[in-house]
Amino acid sequence: EIVLTQSPATLSVSPGDRATLSCRASQSVRSNLGWFQQKPGQAPRLLIYGASTRATGIPARFSGSGSGTEFTLTISSLQAEDFAVYYCQQYNNWPPWTFGEGTKVEIK
Amino acid sequence: QVQLQESGPGLVKPSETLSLTCSVSGHSLTGPYYWGWIRQPPGKGLEWIGNFHHSGNTNYSPSLKNRVTISRDLSKNTFSLKLSSVTAADTAVYYCAREPATGYWGQGIQVTVSS
Repeated sequence: EIVLTQSPATLSVSPGDRATLSCRASQSVRSNLGWFQQKPGQAPRLLIYGASTRATGIPARFSGSGSGTEFTLTISSLQAEDFAVYYCQQYNNWPPWTFGEGTKVEIK
Repeated sequence: QVQLQESGPGLVKPSETLSLTCSVSGHSLTGPYYWGWIRQPPGKGLEWIGNFHHSGNTNYSPSLKNRVTISRDLSKNTFSLKLSSVTAADTAVYYCAREPATGYWGQGIQVTVSS
């Protein structure tokens, strides 16, 4: 089973600042990685798939990069609505298609 | 527009079987995708449970495979999750979704395991 390690667990950021979230895989997942945003009481929302492709309707301030075992989600200028928990998920090796433990982005 | 909606009992007794259904509209289950279940215990992260492919193949998480069955009803365009011998550790919000890594998820259904 592939383990995804997300860091940091919590990221304190001021509105307007840049946020960089990391996801590391225990073995290569090529580019088969997605990023989700989840707000309290809501289902996860897809932001990025294929490691770097923005999903439909996702603002350009969200960008994904990486391949193999190291991945990054960058939010270029945090807006109030971006404070949430972010999960990465690999869908290269299965079962299972594992999720990371999440990074909570909170207001500094 | 693809939409998914979970339904089923919100309360299940320990040792019984949890049964949920996902109703899909806007896309046939015979299309070239995976359709799966994911859960989220209270205050915790997401856990992938399993899925099936339009070809009929099913795939389960190794940690749950002895208790999980995912099936589909093409006539109703629905798919179901059965999780047997539940305990309090199975208390979670259960989501159905089109996979992998898509924007098509149900809103989730809270299932509590308690006597």
